[in-house]
Amino acid sequence: GAVVSQHPSRVICKSGTSVKIECRSLDFQATTMFWYRQFPKQSLMLMATSNEGSKATYEQGVEKDKFLINHASLTLSTLTVTSAHPEDSSFYICSARDPQGSTGELFFGEGSRLTVL
Amino acid sequence: AQSVTQPDIHITVSEGASLELRCNYSYGATPYLFWYVQSPGQGLQLLLKYFSGDTLVQGIKGFEAEFKRSQSSFNLRKPSVHWSDAAEYFCAVEAGNMLTFGGGTRLMVKP
Repeated sequence: GAVVSQHPSRVICKSGTSVKIECRSLDFQATTMFWYRQFPKQSLMLMATSNEGSKATYEQGVEKDKFLINHASLTLSTLTVTSAHPEDSSFYICSARDPQGSTGELFFGEGSRLTVL
Repeated sequence: AQSVTQPDIHITVSEGASLELRCNYSYGATPYLFWYVQSPGQGLQLLLKYFSGDTLVQGIKGFEAEFKRSQSSFNLRKPSVHWSDAAEYFCAVEAGNMLTFGGGTRLMVKP
């Protein structure tokens, strides 16, 4: 089945630095990818919808200048957490839908755990 | 807007016992319904989904779920739980290309 991969799986950074997380669709082209954030022992909250070749659509309450999303190709979307602070520490998960797939299923990456010191 | 409620935050069952995880949704029409499983520190794996047709759907790992329109529910069931089923389970609703997750139910399995 379709596979979505994230990198890195874990990252630790100092407060004030920026961190980039990559989300790749490995065997299909995704015009749309979704970024979620998950706090410990909580559910996934949609942060933004990444659109290839255009600006991302952010959910209410998500700072677009803090969480920069770039979807430069049909297989890659990146989330950059700028000037990270400890409250940005979280588990970030991306997902994508195979437009050629018959089920319309969303495939999820393995997640990236960010720890800001 | 759609919403999903998973009333049970934690559930503990004995290995071999049956399992039912509850999910209720709120949406004006019939949504697409999903159950996902998440192991610690991992992404999500789709267990099963309901789009239309037969209201009892079979999934992977011996799971099944039943869509009940009158109760706005989509409960997940398994007749005999294995220790490897211990994980976090999320019910989700999709409407208008947007996926909304419930709060999750953490399943613990006693030997």
